[in-house]
Amino acid sequence: LAKTTQPISMDSYEGQEVNITCSHNNIATNDYITWYQQFPSQGPRFIIQGYKTKVTNEVASLFIPADRKSSTLSLPRVSLSDTAVYYCPREEGNTGKLIFGQGTTLQVKP
Amino acid sequence: GAVVSQHPSWVICKSGTSVKIECRSLDFQATTMFWYRQFPKQSLMLMATSNEGSKATYEQGVEKDKFLINHASLTLSTLTVTSAHPEDSSFYICSASLLQIGASSYNEQFFGPGTRLTVL
Repeated sequence: LAKTTQPISMDSYEGQEVNITCSHNNIATNDYITWYQQFPSQGPRFIIQGYKTKVTNEVASLFIPADRKSSTLSLPRVSLSDTAVYYCPREEGNTGKLIFGQGTTLQVKP
Repeated sequence: GAVVSQHPSWVICKSGTSVKIECRSLDFQATTMFWYRQFPKQSLMLMATSNEGSKATYEQGVEKDKFLINHASLTLSTLTVTSAHPEDSSFYICSASLLQIGASSYNEQFFGPGTRLTVL
């Protein structure tokens, strides 16, 4: 099964809204979609998770269309501290294994 | 949220020696833990699945005799890099799986902070 695919990199400026899209072509019916953030030399950190439609928490929103073949992570007003790599890994079956793609490196500029 | 710790956070060793890395789930029990490796500027690569009380399951291309995994309790998994060489230098990250039961049950993974291994 293919990994999820995302843009390799994105640039933004402080205060802007950033949307990162992930392709989930082979997502299974029972799989949730989860996004993680990783800073250099740290483990990934959970951002948000959803199954369909829209989910919002204190840091981000997640939009998932009806066909669930993609998802869009929305960061409302980014700051310099949001500079990181963002991943939308695929879960392999019901095993709990996460298969990571290359992630999206977001660079926020002042 | 649930917390996963790793020890040590970094280690430097000589070529040929063995290094043990611990992964602990601090406030929950994890029947399943995962070990990942990450080289600079690259993504996380799953190495193995660690199951409490049974043998680990290794991903294709990962040598089980080189990367020994022991999951002796529901809160501790260890990864031992045996006869380490410079090419084993990497960032090793573990995660622990917690089953969330609700309207729809799913596994939520919590990642440790990682261990930087440098082999001289």
